[in-house]
Amino acid sequence: KAGVTQTPRYLIKTRGQQVTLSCSPISGHRSVSWYQQTPGQGLQFLFEYFSETQRNKGNFPGRFSGRQFSNSRSEMNVSTLELGDSALYLCASGTGGYNEQFFGPGTRLTVL
Amino acid sequence: AQSVSQHNHHVILSEAASLELGCNYSYGGTVNLFWYVQYPGQHLQLLLKYFSGDPLVKGIKGFEAEFIKSKFSFNLRKPSVQWSDTAEYFCAAPLSGAGSYQLTFGKGTKLSVIP
Repeated sequence: KAGVTQTPRYLIKTRGQQVTLSCSPISGHRSVSWYQQTPGQGLQFLFEYFSETQRNKGNFPGRFSGRQFSNSRSEMNVSTLELGDSALYLCASGTGGYNEQFFGPGTRLTVL
Repeated sequence: AQSVSQHNHHVILSEAASLELGCNYSYGGTVNLFWYVQYPGQHLQLLLKYFSGDPLVKGIKGFEAEFIKSKFSFNLRKPSVQWSDTAEYFCAAPLSGAGSYQLTFGKGTKLSVIP
């Protein structure tokens, strides 16, 4: 089975721009979660989608949004980028519920 | 769980030394616990998990963890580390609450193994 894939792997943007990241989950997984990883804050939960519905949202501003498509692929969008948004954005997929999640390689976003 | 904490930020060991990384969680209903590992340049991988039953859980690459309910702990152990175990280790648990399926992670412990 192919793992979780994320595109692009690296992005460089400037302040004020917006960015869209993509995640393809493992086949058959309907739950997709997004996390932000930074050296200072560690891994922080952004949101989780299940069957195209956002079930949970972390404590991030409204500039962070996401969606999930009928094939379970998910995108997250960050508008009006700030320097502090520089991070590794991780996508994880699972079957839902309190089961383990499988992580992708991440997208490294640098905001200049 | 409501929160997860890891005691050690950075651990440095020589090869063949024994390893124990601490993880504590705050109680909040069903307890499912995970240890993930992130090798340099690689993605997060599941090392082991505890859902119920035997509190001593064995994972990949010779790692094990013991769930001690009375201490709210889930420490990771390995009897003899190798240089290839150099990585960052994260303890995680689902945040409890109706409809909440997000994982909450500890801050991570960086392990450096010296050959």
